[in-house]
Amino acid sequence: GAGVSQTPSNKVTEKGKYVELRCDPISGHTALYWYRQSLGQGPEFLIYFQGTGAADDSGLPNDRFFAVRPEGSVSTLKIQRTERGDSAVYLCASSEGLAGDEQFFGPGTRLTVL
Amino acid sequence: DQQVKQNSPSLSVQEGRISILNCDYTNSMFDYFLWYKKYPAEGPTFLISISSIKDKNEDGRFTVFLNKSAKHLSLHIVPSQPGDSAVYFCAARSLYSGGGADGLTFGKGTHLIIQP
Repeated sequence: GAGVSQTPSNKVTEKGKYVELRCDPISGHTALYWYRQSLGQGPEFLIYFQGTGAADDSGLPNDRFFAVRPEGSVSTLKIQRTERGDSAVYLCASSEGLAGDEQFFGPGTRLTVL
Repeated sequence: DQQVKQNSPSLSVQEGRISILNCDYTNSMFDYFLWYKKYPAEGPTFLISISSIKDKNEDGRFTVFLNKSAKHLSLHIVPSQPGDSAVYFCAARSLYSGGGADGLTFGKGTHLIIQP
């Protein structure tokens, strides 16, 4: 069984552009998480999906950030009007969805905003 | 406001010796703690966890100790091996107090270097 995959592995964009980052969770995992890891920091929680719905989006830094999971599997993190401060590694994780389940992380997408 | 703190950015230990990584937390609602290991260009991988009803959990060479009154936990690796060289993250959640399957709160990590 494949683990969590994320595409692209690297994304370079210019300030002001729109980007989409994709996450394919482990098959059958109902819970999906997005985290952001800036240089020298630990992963910072952004949003958590249970199925198709966002159960907790309290970590999204502002309204330029949005995430969807329309069919309860693949998720896309969308960032509008990117800023240089958005540069980070964006990590996705999935779990079976029950409280306390282990979260399995993907390798991340390194986003660089020039 | 860092709710999970790892105050040592790096730690160097000789192969075969014990590695001790420390973590402090400030949020009293945290009741479940995890350690993740991360190699460059890979995502974090789960290592070991402990719930607040225990003060120790052991898995092979890895042991986690929890001191709730001090809001402190530590990860012991013995004996340390070259493959243990990685960044170790301490993480916490409010599992039993309503947090359920919510996201984790991570520390900044400690880079462990095992010297041959």
